[in-house]
Amino acid sequence: DAKTTQPNSMESNEEEPVHLPCNHSTISGTDYIHWYRQLPSQGPEYVIHGLTSNVNNRMASLAIAEDRKSSTLILHRATLRDAAVYYCILSAAANAGGTSYGKLTFGQGTILTVHP
Amino acid sequence: ETGVTQTPRHLVMGMTNKKSLKCEQHLGHNAMYWYKQSAKKPLELMFVYSLEERVENNSVPSRFSPECPNSSHLFLHLHTLQPEDSALYLCASSQDYLGQGRAEAFFGQGTRLTVV
Repeated sequence: DAKTTQPNSMESNEEEPVHLPCNHSTISGTDYIHWYRQLPSQGPEYVIHGLTSNVNNRMASLAIAEDRKSSTLILHRATLRDAAVYYCILSAAANAGGTSYGKLTFGQGTILTVHP
Repeated sequence: ETGVTQTPRHLVMGMTNKKSLKCEQHLGHNAMYWYKQSAKKPLELMFVYSLEERVENNSVPSRFSPECPNSSHLFLHLHTLQPEDSALYLCASSQDYLGQGRAEAFFGQGTRLTVV
C-alpha cells in the first residue's frame, strides 16, 4: 500500500485558517486521496477526497499538487470543534473474490490543537 | 450520527468469556469493515466483507470470528481473548465503486473493549 507522511502535530488559533500537509510520493495513478478526522472517543469521520483536481465541500478544501505527490487539507476558519486527529489516506481499489471495494490504510495522522 | 451503529459501546470481559460485537448500517452500502484501534497505534484493518462475502482477513487470530448474515449487519464474535486485545473496535461501511478507490467510509462510534 502506498504510504503517506504527515506531521505528528500542528497548532492553530480559533478563527484562523489551517493548512494540514501530506506527502505521498509513491502514489499511483488510480489512488484517491482521502482525508478523515477522528475526534476524541469517536470513530473516524470522512472529510474530503479527490483524485487530481482541487476539491471543496462544506467542511474543508483539498489542494492537490500537480504531480500528485503531496496534498494539503485546508480548514478555512478553525473552531474548537475541529481539534482532532487528521488522517491523510491513499485509497486503493482492492479486488478479491470477484468484487472490488475501497480499502483505507490509516497512518498515525496529525494531531490538530486549536487554541481559543 | 453516521448511520452506522455499534453495540455495545463498552464491554468488559474475562479471558474465558464469549461475547459478540454488533454493527448495523441502513445506508444501503455493500461493503463492511472491522478495524481495531489500540492505544497510540494507527487503525488496523481486520476484516472486510464485500457483498456479504469475506474478502479480506489481515492475519487476525482465530479468537476473533466475524460474521455477516446480511448486507446490513456485521458481527465480531470474541472468545478466549487476551488482555492485549483490549482496544477500540470500529465498524465501517462503504458503497463499492467497481474498480475505484473513491468510496467514502462511514464509521460507527466503536466498542471500547477491556479484557481482564
